[in-house]
Amino acid sequence: GEDVEQSLFLSVREGDSSVINCTYTDSSSTYLYWYKQEPGAGLQLLTYIFSNMDMKQDQRLTVLLNKKDKHLSLRIADTQTGDSAIYFCPPKGRRALTFGSGTRLQVQP
Amino acid sequence: ETGVTQTPRHLVMGMTNKKSLKCEQHLGHNAMYWYKQSAKKPLELMFVYSLEERVENNSVPSRFSPECPNSSHLFLHLHTLQPEDSALYLCASSQEGGADGYTFGSGTRLTVV
Repeated sequence: GEDVEQSLFLSVREGDSSVINCTYTDSSSTYLYWYKQEPGAGLQLLTYIFSNMDMKQDQRLTVLLNKKDKHLSLRIADTQTGDSAIYFCPPKGRRALTFGSGTRLQVQP
Repeated sequence: ETGVTQTPRHLVMGMTNKKSLKCEQHLGHNAMYWYKQSAKKPLELMFVYSLEERVENNSVPSRFSPECPNSSHLFLHLHTLQPEDSALYLCASSQEGGADGYTFGSGTRLTVV
């Protein structure tokens, strides 16, 4: 089965905050990543967090990690239409990052 | 500028054709990957090359054949494909042990007719 669970879809209004959640099964990853994929494009690394941290802030992005519950979240402040994309939180498998289906974020004007 | 370049961007091929996808990275990374992204499936890892040696093959059909002649170049040779192989094929590179994750190319959109 998949190593990560995410909601498939999230819709927010422009200017609101978005929170994308991720629950993973493998807890051995040293780093945990968030990727963004815009339509027809490859995946873009947004940010990452070291596994011994519980929070990282990077401009409009805030990553929260609850290692005990194996829960990772990405908060996007002041969400813009350009944030509409699919977001992935791939854990590190045996030799490579393992991607789930991702969460499609739709930002409504 | 991603640092990982894939060509061609789009490819239409018949089931009896032979074609190759190319990936080139300019980042000095030592690992490269092929992923397949279909419309209704999660991103699937196909092949991993680390230090030019293939270290994982996730039971991909033999009609897909990877080649990694050096740490900067990766190919995916295609022959006698099926329509269900139509997908976006993504190449990525990384530095093993590094924190920066993977850098992806823009992908090749493959259509098998």
